[in-house]
Amino acid sequence: DADVTQTPRNRITKTGKRIMLECSQTKGHDRMYWYRQDPGLGLRLIYYSFDVKDINKGEISDGYSVSRQAQAKFSLSLESAIPNQTALYFCATSFALAGGDTQYFGPGTRLTVL
Amino acid sequence: RKEVEQDPGPFNVPEGATVAFNCTYSNSASQSFFWYRQDCRKEPKLLMSVYSSGNEDGRFTAQLNRASQYISLLIRDSKLSDSATYLCVVTGGTGRRALTFGSGTRLQVQP
Repeated sequence: DADVTQTPRNRITKTGKRIMLECSQTKGHDRMYWYRQDPGLGLRLIYYSFDVKDINKGEISDGYSVSRQAQAKFSLSLESAIPNQTALYFCATSFALAGGDTQYFGPGTRLTVL
Repeated sequence: RKEVEQDPGPFNVPEGATVAFNCTYSNSASQSFFWYRQDCRKEPKLLMSVYSSGNEDGRFTAQLNRASQYISLLIRDSKLSDSATYLCVVTGGTGRRALTFGSGTRLQVQP
């Protein structure tokens, strides 16, 4: 079984709909992240959480919200989806290392907003 | 200016060739540096960390130049399976030790 799972893997929705993307991990890591990837722009950080009670905005948090339901679960919500939120979304986990965190990514969710 | 900049490529090289990618970063306070590999439509995976003294892992060599704020990745004896996008990653982008990703350099190794 994969250590970091994301559901759904693909989703097509309409403008204005509320969407939730879910991420679960069995790695026992404290830190979890949500990124989006767009062609030519690389991965951009949406939100991150260093433990269950710690939620932080990333560089592109507008239009998104998150919930850290447990150490192993971190969900991303789009309250009212818009077409420019069409992207590939990745969840990642890590644990703190003095030399820098290694991040482990889920397989991604391809979201299309019509 | 982007925080992490890479030449998007593609770099088209024959099997067996040596190829090098560079990456520049703007935040002089960045502490940690990595190369990730991403295959088409797949998730990024850590290729190697980059240390100040330089480090090697088989056919891959990574170097860091803090004074000039750039990181390099050298791949020797390229294989077809090396075809992928290589992402340069540094810490210190947004808040505590979050990572900032470059947009990637695409490598295509040809038979």
